[in-house]
Amino acid sequence: AQRVTQPEKLLSVFKGAPVELKCNYSYSGSPELFWYVQYSRQRLQLLLRHISRESIKGFTADLNKGETSFHLKKPFAQEEDSAMYYCALSGYTGFQKLVFGTGTRLLVSP
Amino acid sequence: DTGVSQNPRHKITKRGQNVTFRCDPISEHNRLYWYRQTLGQGPEFLTYFQNEAQLEKSRLLSDRFSAERPKGSFSTLEIQRTEQGDSAMYLCASSAGRGRLSGANVLTFGAGSRLTVL
Repeated sequence: AQRVTQPEKLLSVFKGAPVELKCNYSYSGSPELFWYVQYSRQRLQLLLRHISRESIKGFTADLNKGETSFHLKKPFAQEEDSAMYYCALSGYTGFQKLVFGTGTRLLVSP
Repeated sequence: DTGVSQNPRHKITKRGQNVTFRCDPISEHNRLYWYRQTLGQGPEFLTYFQNEAQLEKSRLLSDRFSAERPKGSFSTLEIQRTEQGDSAMYLCASSAGRGRLSGANVLTFGAGSRLTVL
């Protein structure tokens, strides 16, 4: 079964501080990992996916299969990064539903 | 195209009543998904359509729930004999492509339909 764990419900940092939002997953096959973000009063939207290996809005995430993790990182947080972040997982074979974690609220204070 | 559109945005109903939600996906997207989200939880998968075919249903989707996508365009999610436990945000999403590299798993979400069952 697919499972995504986000251990922190809330992460509060000051502007300019580094940020790491943790995500661990459980999946027997080869996973595809995503981070989705929901800003205040906006829709849930894709932030990044591991297959793209991109940096979006200064955020990066590396898939670590040994530790089954896909932590989201940013070296210098900005106030506009305050949002709800969801880690999500899908499998590679056939149709595999996207399974979401419970989310972490990031609060960046000035 | 204004993205994924969901109606109504809010629905308050009494226990035992039926409700129907509508989703209009992005027109080029052949895949459509319904998710449910309750307070403090991430979105939970309910069902998936590829064109007009409903290909996957979650065990969360009891026999009181039915979803259709009659012409492979818009979709409806009906809940019969609503219960207080059905109170949630119902999210619709769509995606395009036939494989992962083409973005099949990159979902575009609607704003959601919030259901409150009294």
